[in-house]
Amino acid sequence: EPEVTQTPSHQVTQMGQEVILRCVPISNHLYFYWYRQILGQKVEFLVSFYNNEISEKSEIFDDQFSVERPDGSNFTLKIRSTKLEDSAMYFCASSAGGVHEQFFGPGTRLTVL
Amino acid sequence: DQQVKQNSPSLSVQEGRISILNCDYTNSMFDYFLWYKKYPAEGPTFLISISSIKDKNEDGRFTVFLNKSAKHLSLHIVPSQPGDSAVYFCAASPPDSGYALNFGKGTSLLVTP
Repeated sequence: EPEVTQTPSHQVTQMGQEVILRCVPISNHLYFYWYRQILGQKVEFLVSFYNNEISEKSEIFDDQFSVERPDGSNFTLKIRSTKLEDSAMYFCASSAGGVHEQFFGPGTRLTVL
Repeated sequence: DQQVKQNSPSLSVQEGRISILNCDYTNSMFDYFLWYKKYPAEGPTFLISISSIKDKNEDGRFTVFLNKSAKHLSLHIVPSQPGDSAVYFCAASPPDSGYALNFGKGTSLLVTP
């Protein structure tokens, strides 16, 4: 069964460093998303991406964040200058065209020291 | 801003009995609702969804009920199995939102033999 994959599974970084989280969505899906879950809190929407542009973003997704689909298979989330409060589980998701059902990857645990 | 609320952090049910997980929402613009299941160290797994034009959707052992006037939905699992033990998240999406999902905090279900 097709699935969303994410790398790395765990990323440790120093405050102020740039990180890139990688995702490979399901191959025939057209919509791509990033969510995060801070420990003990709910899953929060960050950004949705369709047709090579951002279609929606939350207040969390400020200028420190960016997304890119550099080729036909990868979808990345970049945090330019990480802060301690960026420590969270980051989930990538994808969906087929025009439907709400999103399929999530296993997540990347980001730890900012 | 908690637009999707799951007021029961945990629920314990005996194997074979019915599990009922509840969810309330405050945003009347939500028009699509989903339930996800999550095991530790994995991403959320899509279970079942319902559009606001319906009041019930069934898929095998899982049924979702929607009461729009009460802004309430519930997930029924019958019969419950030990493998159903997981955290269940309710999510909702308004129209024209880039399919951004608003999640509740989750309910941890334990099905005991």
